[in-house]
Amino acid sequence: EPEVTQTPSHQVTQMGQEVILRCVPISNHLYFYWYRQILGQKVEFLVSFYNNEISEKSEIFDDQFSVERPDGSNFTLKIRSTKLEDSAMYFCASSDRLPTEQFFGPGTRLTVL
Amino acid sequence: KNEVEQSPQNLTAQEGEFITINCSYSVGISALHWLQQHPGGGIVSLFMLSSGKKKHGRLIATINIQEKHSSLHITASHPRDSAVYICAVKRGSQGNLIFGKGTKLSVKP
Repeated sequence: EPEVTQTPSHQVTQMGQEVILRCVPISNHLYFYWYRQILGQKVEFLVSFYNNEISEKSEIFDDQFSVERPDGSNFTLKIRSTKLEDSAMYFCASSDRLPTEQFFGPGTRLTVL
Repeated sequence: KNEVEQSPQNLTAQEGEFITINCSYSVGISALHWLQQHPGGGIVSLFMLSSGKKKHGRLIATINIQEKHSSLHITASHPRDSAVYICAVKRGSQGNLIFGKGTKLSVKP
């Protein structure tokens, strides 16, 4: 069964460093999402991406964040200068059409020291 | 105020019990999702519904659009059902989901 994959599963970084979280969505999907979950809190929407551009973003998704689909398979989230409060689990999701279920990846746990 | 509220926050049940988890929302939606988050953190989509009722195995999800309320039922609960169950809604034409805080279910043998 096709699935969304994410790498790495755990990333540890120093405050101020840049990190890139990688996702491979399901191959025929067109809509891509990043969400994050700070430990003990609810999942929060970051950004959605369709047709090679951002379609929506939340207040959390400030200038420190960017997304890219560098080729036909990968979807990346870059945090330019990490802060302690960026420590969270980051989930990638994809869907084939807008009003359909989203398939989630296993998440990347980001720890900023 | 949270746009999506779930109750209860925590639920402990004995194996075999019938379980109900509730979700209320305050915004107009185009669809509601029920998700399961395993102890390791992974999220699995259980249902997406915009009206009526859906059933999959021992899981049943219902939604009442007029009352802005949905329920997730688990029949004949089993310890492997232990997880966090999350309600999330999709507003209008937007694709992003707004999540509830989740209900932590523990089923004891």
